[in-house]
Amino acid sequence: DQQVKQNSPSLSVQEGRISILNCDYTNSMFDYFLWYKKYPAEGPTFLISISSIKDKNEDGRFTVFLNKSAKHLSLHIVPSQPGDSAVYFCAASGMNRDDKIIFGKGTRLHILP
Amino acid sequence: GAVVSQHPSWVICKSGTSVKIECRSLDFQATTMFWYRQFPKQSLMLMATSNEGSKATYEQGVEKDKFLINHASLTLSTLTVTSAHPEDSSFYICSASDLGGSSYEQYFGPGTRLTVT
Repeated sequence: DQQVKQNSPSLSVQEGRISILNCDYTNSMFDYFLWYKKYPAEGPTFLISISSIKDKNEDGRFTVFLNKSAKHLSLHIVPSQPGDSAVYFCAASGMNRDDKIIFGKGTRLHILP
Repeated sequence: GAVVSQHPSWVICKSGTSVKIECRSLDFQATTMFWYRQFPKQSLMLMATSNEGSKATYEQGVEKDKFLINHASLTLSTLTVTSAHPEDSSFYICSASDLGGSSYEQYFGPGTRLTVT
């Protein structure tokens, strides 16, 4: 049973436009959410995170929005650049210090020239 | 879909002993496997990249003599924490890619919780 779902396996966006990657979760005990980015032949790297006490966190071109009532979060990238082409993993963690991070299956983002 | 398993899912060991964690790709051939350590509320820290049949590549700051990685087959990689200490207590997560890691897909294992007493 997937606790973190990324329902779009892939997404294509024109360069310069906004990329929106979506993620849904089922466990209401999750209180910390992360996005990771992965290039081929490399491990995932941390991108941005958000705590459940916030509904938005922004870092440069990347913004993560959290809608707790809908158990939904999204990552916005604007403007999209060719180097953003990668797989993006959504992940969630619980309140306790030792809680495990649960990953979604990832969405492949392809930025079109 | 592709499945990656880890064994054991949790382990408790005494300080000074060694612990081996297995990572298996169940329905695909994983030419590349990654080992991560999870810090609480923090991002995953990549420890090493392991390619089948060759020596692992360790990230800066990771002691290769303490964290022994073996990727002897296309479906199995092992991480051995040698002479474990309480500060080694953590979640260890592996992930696997096929096609030499050139594929965009990467599949994560469920993680192994190590507690060193």
